[in-house]
Amino acid sequence: DQQVKQNSPSLSVQEGRISILNCDYTNSMFDYFLWYKKYPAEGPTFLISISSIKDKNEDGRFTVFLNKSAKHLSLHIVPSQPGDSAVYFCAASPTTGANSKLTFGKGITLSVRP
Amino acid sequence: ETGVTQSPTHLIKTRGQQVTLRCSSQSGHNTVSWYQQALGQGPQFIFQYYREEENGRGNFPPRFSGLQFPNYSSELNVNALELDDSALYLCASSLVGDFYGYTFGSGTRLTVV
Repeated sequence: DQQVKQNSPSLSVQEGRISILNCDYTNSMFDYFLWYKKYPAEGPTFLISISSIKDKNEDGRFTVFLNKSAKHLSLHIVPSQPGDSAVYFCAASPTTGANSKLTFGKGITLSVRP
Repeated sequence: ETGVTQSPTHLIKTRGQQVTLRCSSQSGHNTVSWYQQALGQGPQFIFQYYREEENGRGNFPPRFSGLQFPNYSSELNVNALELDDSALYLCASSLVGDFYGYTFGSGTRLTVV
């Protein structure tokens, strides 16, 4: 039962253009959403997050949008850079605090072409 | 500030054997969470340790067990290995309840043959 879905396994964009990575979820109890970036042979690193009380969060070139009614979020990277080439995981949790855990999607491999 | 170190980085085991994976905790962190990432999948929560006790568990059988030590480092033990246990095992240290502050290690790649 895949509660967090990243249906597109890969995305290729030109340097300087926008990258849009999508994520859908089925568990309506999820209130906290995070994006992680993972390079080969390294652990995932936190990129940006959003909670259900907001519909947008920005951090530099990265913006995450949340549509709770559609159970959909997206990560926008503008402008895309070759160093952004990595696997991006969407993750979610119903709560913070003790016993909280993250449910991850399968990931999207982003390739940014120079 | 030290990061999270996992050992070994790779290992190969035979079906039915037992394995122990190790994880150091980042300085200042008191919780270690373990995740299994099978090929082509996202990380899946195994369990979390806080104050040397299991503090939440995912959908994994009892042959997956763990320990946390007074210095907050942790071990993941898997008994009676199965072929499907082949995966990248990631640990993440944090303060309790603070998954925003997860620091992941680079993982241990386990292959069961």
